[in-house]
Amino acid sequence: EAEVAQSPRYKITEKSQAVAFWCDPISGHATLYWYRQILGQGPELLVQFQDESVVDDSQLPKDRFSAERLKGVDSTLKIQPAELGDSAMYLCASSSGLVVGKPGELFFGEGSRLTVL
Amino acid sequence: AQSVTQLDSQVPVFEEAPVELRCNYSSSVSVYLFWYVQYPNQGLQLLLKYLSGSTLVESINGFEAEFNKSQTSFHLRKPSVHISDTAEYFCAVSDPYQAGTALIFGKGTTLSVSS
Repeated sequence: EAEVAQSPRYKITEKSQAVAFWCDPISGHATLYWYRQILGQGPELLVQFQDESVVDDSQLPKDRFSAERLKGVDSTLKIQPAELGDSAMYLCASSSGLVVGKPGELFFGEGSRLTVL
Repeated sequence: AQSVTQLDSQVPVFEEAPVELRCNYSSSVSVYLFWYVQYPNQGLQLLLKYLSGSTLVESINGFEAEFNKSQTSFHLRKPSVHISDTAEYFCAVSDPYQAGTALIFGKGTTLSVSS
């Protein structure tokens, strides 16, 4: 069964260091999402891509976070410098839904858990 | 902006008891509604969804949810829970008029089933 792949599963870093997370969506899925899930809360959207273009990055803290999907397939989310409050699970999801009125199901990866010390 | 409120942060129940996890959404216009389940240290899995048509939707593992437009609710129910249903459950909403729109999630409800 096709899955969304994420790496690393776990990352421990010190504040002010740089971290990067990688996501490989299900083949053929044009839409890719990065969500952040703080412990005890629901996922919050950071950025949404349609192919290689950013659709929505209004909630992405752009002073320290960046995301790219250069070839419209896999994606990287970077944090530099990391802060204590960035400790969270970073979830990647993909979807084939492109048509108004016909949403595609979001398929989630297992996430990358970041701990900032 | 749309929002989702899950009214219970934790729901402890005994095995084979019925359970209801409550979800209310803010939008007064058409929405799509979803329930996702998250097991420890895993990603989210779709449990069921309401897009249109019958207001009662069911999952393959015995859960059901009813869309109530007048009360802007989408409560999740199961008549008899199992230990294996212990997980975090998230209600989510999306805009049906925007293609590929992202989901907006509630804060989650932890269902703890004990024997």
